Amino acid sequence: EPEVTQTPSHQVTQMGQEVILRCVPISNHLYFYWYRQILGQKVEFLVSFYNNEISEKSEIFDDQFSVERPDGSNFTLKIRSTKLEDSAMYFCASSEALDRGNTGELFFGEGSRLTVL
Amino acid sequence: AQSVSQHNHHVILSEAASLELGCNYSYGGTVNLFWYVQYPGQHLQLLLKYFSGDPLVKGIKGFEAEFIKSKFSFNLRKPSVQWSDTAEYFCAVNLIYTGFQKLVFGTGTRLLVSP
Repeated sequence: EPEVTQTPSHQVTQMGQEVILRCVPISNHLYFYWYRQILGQKVEFLVSFYNNEISEKSEIFDDQFSVERPDGSNFTLKIRSTKLEDSAMYFCASSEALDRGNTGELFFGEGSRLTVL
Repeated sequence: AQSVSQHNHHVILSEAASLELGCNYSYGGTVNLFWYVQYPGQHLQLLLKYFSGDPLVKGIKGFEAEFIKSKFSFNLRKPSVQWSDTAEYFCAVNLIYTGFQKLVFGTGTRLLVSP
C-alpha cells in the first residue's frame, strides 16, 4: 500500500539553525500538508499546498517557515532559524483531489521529531 | 471559527469497561470525520472514518463511531476496553470547502486502562 514517508525521523539542532524536514507524498496525490504536535498537545495544522503554492496557512506558519516542492516527489518544510518552541513532532500528509469522487482523505507520514536545544 | 471539541481530556477505565469518547464540531458544511489513535511514543494511526452512508462506522480493534448530524457529533465507542487501548485519541474533522479542504483536530483524550 502506498504511504507517505518522512525523513529524518528525529533531528536535534541548536537554536538559530536552519532545519529542513522532508516528505515524499503518495505519488498520485495533489494536496500536501504539514501538521505539528508539540509534546503532550494536540495536532495543529500548519500549511496546505496545492498546485505549487500555499493554499492555506495557520497563524503558526510565520515567516520563519516555508514549504517547497523542489521536484516531482519531495515536499519540504524549512524552518529558517529554529527556536526552542519549535521542538515538536512534524507530520506530513497528502491527499487526492476532492473531485472525481475522491474522498480527499489525508494520509499521514510517521512524523519527524525535531528537538531544538 | 470552525472547531472540534473533545470534552473528556483524561479518561481512566478498568479493563472490560465500556468506552465512549465525545467529539463535537462546529461547521455547517460538508464534513468527513475521523478518529485517530496515538500510542505512547508513536505516530498517528487511523482508527475509523466516515464519509457518507451508514452513520455507524466500524473501525479497527473493535472501535466504532456514530455520526449524528443534528448534534454535530461523532462519538467513539468500544464495548469492552483492554489494557492495550491505553493511548491518546484524536477526533478530526475534514472541513470541505469549494476547491479545498482542511482537517482540524480536536484536543485529544488521553485514555488510561488499568489491568
